[in-house]
Amino acid sequence: DAGVIQSPRHEVTEMGQEVTLRCKPISGHDYLFWYRQTMMRGLELLIYFNNNVPIDDSGMPEDRFSAKMPNASFSTLKIQPSEPRDSAVYFCASSSGDLGARETQYFGPGTRLLVL
Amino acid sequence: GQNIDQPTEMTATEGAIVQINCTYQTSGFNGLFWYQQHAGEAPTFLSYNVLDGLEEKGRFSSFLSRSKGYSYLLLKELQMKDSASYLCAVRGVNRDDKIIFGKGTRLHILP
Repeated sequence: DAGVIQSPRHEVTEMGQEVTLRCKPISGHDYLFWYRQTMMRGLELLIYFNNNVPIDDSGMPEDRFSAKMPNASFSTLKIQPSEPRDSAVYFCASSSGDLGARETQYFGPGTRLLVL
Repeated sequence: GQNIDQPTEMTATEGAIVQINCTYQTSGFNGLFWYQQHAGEAPTFLSYNVLDGLEEKGRFSSFLSRSKGYSYLLLKELQMKDSASYLCAVRGVNRDDKIIFGKGTRLHILP
């Protein structure tokens, strides 16, 4: 399996621009997570999906952030308009929802976002 | 509220043993994870504990005490490649898999 795939790997943009981050989870995984990691706040869960349905978006910082999962193999995280404080590494992770398994999250390589 | 505490940094010597502690206060508990994260890379799964006791996996072991809200990760026979951050994470009360991460412990291995 190719693992969780994220694109782009690096993004540099100017304040006010729209940013779209993409994620392809591991095939067969029912759960998809979006995280943000900064030096100041560490790793934060933004939103997660189960079977393409958003379950908890309480970690989304504000209305400028939105996430969608139109099908089981694709999700996007959009920031519009972007601000310098959004600069961070954004990770996507997926996991299996099987009960009784040693469930774990498999992380993608991350997207390093810099907003100037 | 929910809180996970772990030391910010630790230093140990190659070949030695190190124990990284994690304490948590959450509204519910449904499992505790340890992840390893090398600088500039994504976290990778190390261990999962849901019952009290010690789980051993090669050079790494993880311990859980639910009554004390406490876990530790034990690394034996340290190697230089073990220099990384170690993240403690707790799954909350619902089975919908919400996971809270600690800020991580940066482990430095000296030759």
